[in-house]
Amino acid sequence: SAVISQKPSRDICQRGTSLTIQCQVDSQVTMMFWYRQQPGQSLTLIATANQGSEATYESGFVIDKFPISRPNLTFSTLTVSNMSPEDSSIYLCSVERDQNTEAFFGQGTRLTVV
Amino acid sequence: AQSVTQLGSHVSVSEGALVLLRCNYSSSVPPYLFWYVQYPNQGLQLLLKYTSAATLVKGINGFEAEFKKSETSFHLTKPSAHMSDAAEYFCAVRFLGANNLFFGTGTRLTVIP
Repeated sequence: SAVISQKPSRDICQRGTSLTIQCQVDSQVTMMFWYRQQPGQSLTLIATANQGSEATYESGFVIDKFPISRPNLTFSTLTVSNMSPEDSSIYLCSVERDQNTEAFFGQGTRLTVV
Repeated sequence: AQSVTQLGSHVSVSEGALVLLRCNYSSSVPPYLFWYVQYPNQGLQLLLKYTSAATLVKGINGFEAEFKKSETSFHLTKPSAHMSDAAEYFCAVRFLGANNLFFGTGTRLTVIP
């Protein structure tokens, strides 16, 4: 298994500002992902965080809006930039040791933009 | 296109009754299959997984799921519901060659006392 610490657990932010979410894993992992879960909906993959290089974004998500860093194999950040109320969601960090194993999730960050 | 379908966004059962949550996927090649549970204000917790071993998979909290290739299904069951089972349940699939999991839309389980 993997123990994931995600911070902050929740925040209320003003529109137009940015929030950086941190994801720390207790051991090295191969894959790290960021998901968004909008109210009452399922998880949508935002991007794959690649160690030492630019993240791989899914359709509909761009680096300018959701910059991601992954400086090593245990840590990643997701920034939600220039926020609007439509960005109000739960953001989840997920890790996998390799492609044939299950994903482990952080507790999530509940973001409300006012 | 690759997809994961969970039939029924809301399921209600009486305490002690059978729980059946449905999941179907679209793929000609058997993928890896997972069920996750999400309790309020928490992240996702793995219930069980299928990775091409036994087709009947047992998980935590008394849940189990059966992989049926001919039906492209991976339905989740529990013989007797408990109040603590009330939560959101997500079926997830890793398709061949994919790095990430694809999630169904989720099923909210309500247990009636």
